[in-house]
Amino acid sequence: ELKVEQNPLFLSMQEGKNYTIYCNYSTTSDRLYWYRQDPGKSLESLFVLLSNGAVKQEGRLMASLDTKARLSTLHITAAVHDLSATYFCAASLWGKGGSEKLVFGKGTKLTVNP
Amino acid sequence: NAGVTQTPKFRVLKTGQSMTLLCAQDMNHEYMYWYRQDPGMGLRLIHYSVGEGTTAKGEVPDGYNVSRLKKQNFLLGLESAAPSQTSVYFCASTNWAYNEQFFGPGTRLTVL
Repeated sequence: ELKVEQNPLFLSMQEGKNYTIYCNYSTTSDRLYWYRQDPGKSLESLFVLLSNGAVKQEGRLMASLDTKARLSTLHITAAVHDLSATYFCAASLWGKGGSEKLVFGKGTKLTVNP
Repeated sequence: NAGVTQTPKFRVLKTGQSMTLLCAQDMNHEYMYWYRQDPGMGLRLIHYSVGEGTTAKGEVPDGYNVSRLKKQNFLLGLESAAPSQTSVYFCASTNWAYNEQFFGPGTRLTVL
């Protein structure tokens, strides 16, 4: 059974600081996703990581994947208030008919303080 | 393109009542999914569909039924609602060409 653990679950940081969110998954998975969710809103796709060593960057966020360690990280550089949100990672399992099922972590609620 | 839409946006039910949530997508996607999100939890897969007329169980299927009579619609039914089904429900869709699932805006359901 695939399980996904994120830590920390809550993160309060100051603007301008750097921090990393960790996502561990328990069994082999082909893909790793990162999503952002603002309060009361739906999920916004940030990154999909498809292979070992994959690294993607968008603005102040950088995601990486180590399939051997079953670990993905989301690194935040020089945080700004607009990054305050809940961040989810999700690992994938293949389902019926070539479909992909996602198993989500519990999310990391990030608050960036001035 | 409206993308993925969900109806209704909010609903309050009494224990034992039934209801159907509708998910519609206009992107001709093969795969559709229903998730629930509870406080402090990530999304959990309820049921999914790989095409018209086909459905499969996800991680937490008990108490729910689904149907996919048309490719663009995926219905989630609660036959006898329970307070434990109070949650936010998200629908998503995709197909083999994409590396992401496209999520709808969510339905907030409260069962009293």
